[in-house]
Amino acid sequence: KNEVEQSPQNLTAQEGEFITINCSYSVGISALHWLQQHPGGGIVSLFMLSSGKKKHGRLIATINIQEKHSSLHITASHPRDSAVYICAVGSLSGSARQLTFGSGTQLTVLP
Amino acid sequence: EAGVVQSPRYKIIEKKQPVAFWCNPISGHNTLYWYRQNLGQGPELLIRYENEEAVDDSQLPKDRFSAERLKGVDSTLKIQPAELGDSAVYLCASSPGTGASPLHFGNGTRLTVT
Repeated sequence: KNEVEQSPQNLTAQEGEFITINCSYSVGISALHWLQQHPGGGIVSLFMLSSGKKKHGRLIATINIQEKHSSLHITASHPRDSAVYICAVGSLSGSARQLTFGSGTQLTVLP
Repeated sequence: EAGVVQSPRYKIIEKKQPVAFWCNPISGHNTLYWYRQNLGQGPELLIRYENEEAVDDSQLPKDRFSAERLKGVDSTLKIQPAELGDSAVYLCASSPGTGASPLHFGNGTRLTVT
């Protein structure tokens, strides 16, 4: 079973700060997902990546397959970025559609 | 495109009562998931469907939980009877059925068992 660890568990930042959230996993993966969950429960898929780097607006996701590590960066953070960010990985063994989720990082951006 | 639709949004029931959740996935998505999420934790898979077939239900507590996906489209998840420990957010997600692909989640149903 793949173990997924996220850090930090909680993060408070001032508006405008550069934010990094980390995700480490234990076994080979087919893909890694970064998800955003706002209060109220809805989850939005931010990125799915299996190598390199992806960018969407102020969000950047990177993955290092050799080190089994991914980071989610938020540039020029804003209070509306406050949410729980969840890392999820699809294992190489078994179906790629079997995902293991991290426990999430609670981000609070203060104005 | 319309997203994954779940209902109800919230449900409060007394223990030992039955409850059902409904999910309408994105049109054309063959894979459908039901997850349970406890406070402060990531989602945990309950059951995964490929079309109408349940291909992974190893984490579904089969003594009280049941699910179906008739015609490979909409799905219902039922708990009977509910227990206090079932209080959680129940999330439905769907994805296209080809390899690693993005997940699309519904807004979830927040269940409170009193």
